[in-house]
Amino acid sequence: DTGVSQNPRHKITKRGQNVTFRCDPISEHNRLYWYRQTLGQGPEFLTYFQNEAQLEKSRLLSDRFSAERPKGSFSTLEIQRTEQGDSAMYLCASSPFTGDHNYGYTFGSGTRLTVV
Amino acid sequence: AQRVTQPEKLLSVFKGAPVELKCNYSYSGSPELFWYVQYSRQRLQLLLRHISRESIKGFTADLNKGETSFHLKKPFAQEEDSAMYYCALRPAGNKLTFGGGTRVLVKP
Repeated sequence: DTGVSQNPRHKITKRGQNVTFRCDPISEHNRLYWYRQTLGQGPEFLTYFQNEAQLEKSRLLSDRFSAERPKGSFSTLEIQRTEQGDSAMYLCASSPFTGDHNYGYTFGSGTRLTVV
Repeated sequence: AQRVTQPEKLLSVFKGAPVELKCNYSYSGSPELFWYVQYSRQRLQLLLRHISRESIKGFTADLNKGETSFHLKKPFAQEEDSAMYYCALRPAGNKLTFGGGTRVLVKP
């Protein structure tokens, strides 16, 4: 287990196409998070899972965005009908969740999406 | 709703000089505070968390609940400290909210 893995690293797509990103968290981590980061900004929360349950979605996550974590392991983030404003770095992170809430997240390297 | 503000977009200091990155937060409860760092071409990684009261790579951060601040400090900056630094807040058991980040440039 070498940490959080995200694929692909880069994705260039035409406006209106659908894209899907994958995140493989650290295997012992039951929480998985998706963030989006644009140039000059900090990461913005999109959604997170505890095991297979999606516990929260940001208002940033329009109905064109959907995320799944079907078996509580890897997760996918799909964007339908992409727009140029979707161009960003999409970050995945995982963490253990127990009674001790002070664990930091382990981040992946991200998927950079460019919509042309 | 919680919010994290990092007022400085860029901090430029000379090697050996002290550096302080400001972080202010708004949250009505007792949050967990973190500092994350991103070195060039590397992934975002945890630097330190307030509950641990630890010093990592010479950095320390003190939570001041009265001023709702969690400033990051290092007495003698090194060139390898050049990076993006993000302050983050997490209500107990919830997700992290990040500030906008501060770029630190340490000049030789």
